[in-house]
Amino acid sequence: DSGVTQTPKHLITATGQRVTLRCSPRSGDLSVYWYQQSLDQGLQFLIQYYNGEERAKGNILERFSAQQFPDLHSELNLSSLELGDSALYFCASSKEGRRLLSGANVLTFGAGSRLTVL
Amino acid sequence: DAKTTQPPSMDCAEGRAANLPCNHSTISGNEYVYWYRQIHSQGPQYIIHGLKNNETNEMASLIITEDRKSSTLILPHATLRDTAVYYCIAGSSNTGKLIFGQGTTLQVKP
Repeated sequence: DSGVTQTPKHLITATGQRVTLRCSPRSGDLSVYWYQQSLDQGLQFLIQYYNGEERAKGNILERFSAQQFPDLHSELNLSSLELGDSALYFCASSKEGRRLLSGANVLTFGAGSRLTVL
Repeated sequence: DAKTTQPPSMDCAEGRAANLPCNHSTISGNEYVYWYRQIHSQGPQYIIHGLKNNETNEMASLIITEDRKSSTLILPHATLRDTAVYYCIAGSSNTGKLIFGQGTTLQVKP
């Protein structure tokens, strides 16, 4: 158990639907990161939040949105789902995430949420 | 973020040392080198990181060249459970996000 909790573990839905994936970071971690891993692609960085604010954005589609709440958990919302959105979605957390003055920033990943769009 | 280059696949005999190379010739002075691995479809697992000096922990050793343009991850006694995709990443010093490449698929054989 990495300490990063993701729910649900598995989700099957239909095209056009909307789903929400949830992530609880490790205790004490302020940053949350979302990644997507499809069969034909590697781990793609989607978005990062630090202490409730968006910190970095990657290849996140406009149909997708995320937020980090005051208790630091995060949700990734996926709407108007398409077949190609079927993937593993990983959340990671770290203590840092703002501009780093020095030191490394180790990310701890959750077990992932497997989304299947039929 | 600096780009890293890794061989797509490698084999290693069980019990032998696995040496996984990584090229990061454009790495900047304050970017750390991180190694993660992903076993099947599990979440990526942190292995080790370093800046300039060689590093060792209970999982592996990291050897970084003096010019920092390349590094090698060493698993001293590979087991079948070390079969995984290994990612070498040059980390961003701005936000902390990590950009994963394609990694090296290490197959440990009996």
